[in-house]
Amino acid sequence: DVKVTQSSRYLVKRTGEKVFLECVQDMDHENMFWYRQDPGLGLRLIYFSYDVKMKEKGDIPEGYSVSREKKERFSLILESASTNQTSMYLCASNRGRGNQPQHFGDGTRLSIL
Amino acid sequence: AQSVTQLDSQVPVFEEAPVELRCNYSSSVSVYLFWYVQYPNQGLQLLLKYLSGSTLVKGINGFEAEFNKSQTSFHLRKPSVHISDTAEYFCAVSELFQKLVFGTGTRLLVSP
Repeated sequence: DVKVTQSSRYLVKRTGEKVFLECVQDMDHENMFWYRQDPGLGLRLIYFSYDVKMKEKGDIPEGYSVSREKKERFSLILESASTNQTSMYLCASNRGRGNQPQHFGDGTRLSIL
Repeated sequence: AQSVTQLDSQVPVFEEAPVELRCNYSSSVSVYLFWYVQYPNQGLQLLLKYLSGSTLVKGINGFEAEFNKSQTSFHLRKPSVHISDTAEYFCAVSELFQKLVFGTGTRLLVSP
């Protein structure tokens, strides 16, 4: 079974802090994704990566960056956290080019005070 | 570009009743379609997928969905729901070499 593990279930940070969200998958998937989930808005794609050291912007990349130094790990970085980044963050992975389902972690609920 | 519409934000239903969650998509090319379920405080779990072939797709937990190309729909159905089906359901679409696009979700509320 595919396992996508997000390092924290709940996280509380202060405005202006640099925040790291970590995600690890154990199925050798090429593709990894970061989403944020907000009520009434569904899931919105922040960044994704098709290979190590490669990254592409999703629909809402502003205020975020990512890092993929190893195939199994994809990190989301909030350079200077703001209150409007309070949200649920979901990491996912898959293989292929659009025709394979994504496997999700349990999410990190991030609160910025 | 593809998009997904889930018109119902919330669907209340009694236990053992049938349910249909609606999903419509827009795309100019062939698509792949997915339904995911999210239980409270968890990530998304795949319910079923349509990649090609038979338009009636069966998934886990007794759910099924029918792909209707002419109506650009992929509605999710279950003939008899349980309390444990209470969750949020997301429809998603992708095209080959394109990213997955999600609907805004439908919250299914099953009461005794």
